[in-house]
Amino acid sequence: NAGVTQTPKFRVLKTGQSMTLLCAQDMNHEYMYWYRQDPGMGLRLIHYSVGEGTTAKGEVPDGYNVSRLKKQNFLLGLESAAPSQTSVYFCASNIRADTRFYGYTFGSGTRLTVV
Amino acid sequence: AQKVTQAQTEISVVEKEDVTLDCVYETRDTTYYLFWYKQPPSGELVFLIRRNSFDEQNEISGRYSWNFQKSTSSFNFTITASQVVDSAVYFCALITNSNSGYALNFGKGTSLLVTP
Repeated sequence: NAGVTQTPKFRVLKTGQSMTLLCAQDMNHEYMYWYRQDPGMGLRLIHYSVGEGTTAKGEVPDGYNVSRLKKQNFLLGLESAAPSQTSVYFCASNIRADTRFYGYTFGSGTRLTVV
Repeated sequence: AQKVTQAQTEISVVEKEDVTLDCVYETRDTTYYLFWYKQPPSGELVFLIRRNSFDEQNEISGRYSWNFQKSTSSFNFTITASQVVDSAVYFCALITNSNSGYALNFGKGTSLLVTP
């Protein structure tokens, strides 16, 4: 099925551990995004990518790194997890839009708990 | 800068009541798009509607309707005859040409609880 797939769906980390969240899309979308969702805060943009090999910082990038080595994959890394990174993470993709903003597709989310 | 404000944090209604969720946006761009998403308790984000800045027509889809008013920078969402299944968090979002990477800019959401 076409769409955005996030793995894993759930994870518990200890403070200081590292991990990588994988986002994969099979729609040939140029643009990909990582958001985090915290209670009462809505979804906030962490990093985004406008194409293979490119990444850029969003609103809340500290403590995260990303890579887009292949067009279909967008990886979010936590080098040293902190309890403040406990959140639900959403990946999304978007077609190359220019002045049109169609086709946002969201993954089902990854619930991360850092203890 | 772009900003989306959803002033209502939580709303509780009894089934069959009508309810309106408010969304106020800020942007200096003349071309922009507004969205509404629903996040049920299961957690996924469900797309409800997209509206561009050049189309101020109100939209109705079953029990859902949207009122877009550029004069007040508002894009409000009304659920008529609410049902328990409408219980969810609802997000309003904005995108303009100025948004980094065309990323959606979300409001903080309104949590709607519909009780029997």
